[in-house]
Amino acid sequence: GQQVMQIPQYQHVQEGEDFTTYCNSSTTLSNIQWYKQRPGGHPVFLIQLVKSGEVKKQKRLTFQFGEAKKNSSLHITATQTTDVGTYFCAGPSSGGSNYKLTFGKGTLLTVNP
Amino acid sequence: DAGVIQSPRHEVTEMGQEVTLRCKPISGHNSLFWYRQTMMRGLELLIYFNNNVPIDDSGMPEDRFSAKMPNASFSTLKIQPSEPRDSAVYFCASSTGYEQYFGPGTRLTVT
Repeated sequence: GQQVMQIPQYQHVQEGEDFTTYCNSSTTLSNIQWYKQRPGGHPVFLIQLVKSGEVKKQKRLTFQFGEAKKNSSLHITATQTTDVGTYFCAGPSSGGSNYKLTFGKGTLLTVNP
Repeated sequence: DAGVIQSPRHEVTEMGQEVTLRCKPISGHNSLFWYRQTMMRGLELLIYFNNNVPIDDSGMPEDRFSAKMPNASFSTLKIQPSEPRDSAVYFCASSTGYEQYFGPGTRLTVT
C-alpha cells in the first residue's frame, strides 16, 4: 500500500537555527498537506500544496512540493521555542478519495532556548 | 465556532469493558474522520463518513470496533470489549474539503 515517509524522526536545534523536514511518498500525490501538533495537543492544518514544484511561505515557514509530486519539504528559518512540536505531512491515500489521508510518522522538533 | 468537540477527554477502563467515544463535528462540515494515534503506529485513519454515511472503514482494526454517525452533528466510536492494546489517543476530525479540523482527542487507557 501507499507509504508516506518522513525524515528525520527527531530534530533538536538551538533557538535561531534553521530546521528542515522531508516527506516522501511511494506514489504520486495530487496534493500534500502539512500539519503541526504541539506536545499534548492535536494536529492543526498548516498548508496544502497542489502544483508540481510549488513553493509557499508562511512567515518563517517555507513549504515545497517536488516536481514529480512525490516529495515535499518544510523549512523553518531561525527557529523559535514556539515552533516546538511534531510536523506531519499527509497525502491522499491511493485508491481512495482525496479526503482520505495517509499521514507520515512526523518529525518531532525540539528547540533549546 | 467551538471547533470539533470530543468527549470524554480521558478514559481509563478495565480490559473487557465497553468504551464509547463521542464526537461533535464543526457545523456544516460534511466529512468526519476517526483516527487513532500511538507512538508505534503514528496517526492511523480508522473510518471516515461523508454526509453521515460510512465511506471507508478499512482502517477499523477488528470487529471489536464500531462507529456510527446517526446525524450530521454526532458520531460515536465504540470498542467492545476493550483490550490493553487499544490504549491510544483517539482523534475525531471534520472537513468540508481537503483541510481537516481535529478535535482535542480522547486519551484512552485500558488496564
